[in-house]
Amino acid sequence: QVQLQESGPGLVKPSETLSLTCTVSAYSISSGYYWGWIRQPPGKGLEWIGSIYHSGNTYYNPSLKSRVTISVDTSKNQFSLKLSSVTAADTAVYYCAAGKYYYMDVWGEGTTVTVSS
Amino acid sequence: DIQMTQSPSSLSASVGDRVTITCRASQSISSYLNWYHQKPGKAPKLLIYAASSLQTGVPSRFSGSGSGTDFTLTISSLQVEDFTTYYCQQTYSTPFTFGPGTKVDIK
Repeated sequence: QVQLQESGPGLVKPSETLSLTCTVSAYSISSGYYWGWIRQPPGKGLEWIGSIYHSGNTYYNPSLKSRVTISVDTSKNQFSLKLSSVTAADTAVYYCAAGKYYYMDVWGEGTTVTVSS
Repeated sequence: DIQMTQSPSSLSASVGDRVTITCRASQSISSYLNWYHQKPGKAPKLLIYAASSLQTGVPSRFSGSGSGTDFTLTISSLQVEDFTTYYCQQTYSTPFTFGPGTKVDIK
């Protein structure tokens, strides 16, 4: 059973870059699956950030596309999220997830990121 | 972007009740519709994918139906662990968008 665990700073300053990593266990990231990121601002709903196939094909939310990069590191069996020029509006719980292109059936537990000076 | 709406936004029900939640897309999404539920402080959990396919391990009291723009999630007999928030998500086109959620609480 694939397991996912997010890691990264819980506090990021405005205008800086948010960087999160998702470590994949019990499955080789290069074997397949789509790997994605979803976020949830406090008290609000879910927002799809984007996803990446193990081959490197990426799919981003256009509302974030100019600021977001998702990448895979097969040597570490991890994938990552970078979001640049963050503001308070980027404060959220960030989830990494895995699955097929059309649905994500494995989720990490989520990590809270606060944007504040 | 495809906009997703859900109704009702909240509902009160009792254990054993039959509950139906509706999700509507702003344009046709064929059957590219998923249902998740999310307990407080936890990650969403996939219940139904492709509108009507039950995810492995999910109890059979959950079922989904619909195609095009209108979809429903039905819980045939509500259990204590089902009192939580439900989200639909379209994956017909990017960005994959979620509905605003339906909170199910105890009457």
